[in-house]
Amino acid sequence: GAVVSQHPSWVICKSGTSVKIECRSLDFQATTMFWYRQFPKQSLMLMATSNEGSKATYEQGVEKDKFLINHASLTLSTLTVTSAHPEDSSFYICSARDRRTSGAYEQYFGPGTRLTVT
Amino acid sequence: GNSVTQMEGPVTLSEEAFLTINCTYTATGYPSLFWYVQYPGEGLQLLLKATKADDKGSNKGFEATYRKETTSFHLEKGSVQVSDSAVYFCALSDLYSSASKIIFGSGTRLSIRP
Repeated sequence: GAVVSQHPSWVICKSGTSVKIECRSLDFQATTMFWYRQFPKQSLMLMATSNEGSKATYEQGVEKDKFLINHASLTLSTLTVTSAHPEDSSFYICSARDRRTSGAYEQYFGPGTRLTVT
Repeated sequence: GNSVTQMEGPVTLSEEAFLTINCTYTATGYPSLFWYVQYPGEGLQLLLKATKADDKGSNKGFEATYRKETTSFHLEKGSVQVSDSAVYFCALSDLYSSASKIIFGSGTRLSIRP
């Protein structure tokens, strides 16, 4: 149980185009999802917190007009990189949080999406 | 604020060697502590966790003990395999707070030679 999927797993796009990445919780409902960015050989950087039915909360320094996040249902959040540029090339990882019967907020990670902008 | 510091890599060992990756943390309250593993080209997988002081998390031969007195959560394995080559992240979070985020360390790259 507690599986999170991402689609696509990798994508190449041309500079100036937009790319949408999907994050789904497959066997649980996630009121909160998180989007991270990871540069080569670096740790994960939290970009934003996405709550179902409300606007995402962006971390300091993350452009919300460039990285559009939509959490339309309890099992789906999307990240759209608008007008992508080569510096947006990165590994994007989502996670989904599930509150267990114990009261703990467990977080489960997707497999990541590698974006290359040419 | 909360933070996690882990030993810098890369760490290169021979197969069957003993592994220790150091991790220390700074936190208010009583966080839970985690080790995540990232295999090449993949996302993060939870390796093990401990939710309170003196708890020992274990999985796949790896162990880590939550030491409140030294604010540490060092990862150990008695005999590493080539398949353990990956990046390991120490992390903390308050599992029982809806507002809590996961704080990650910088990651330690481990390479195991056959």
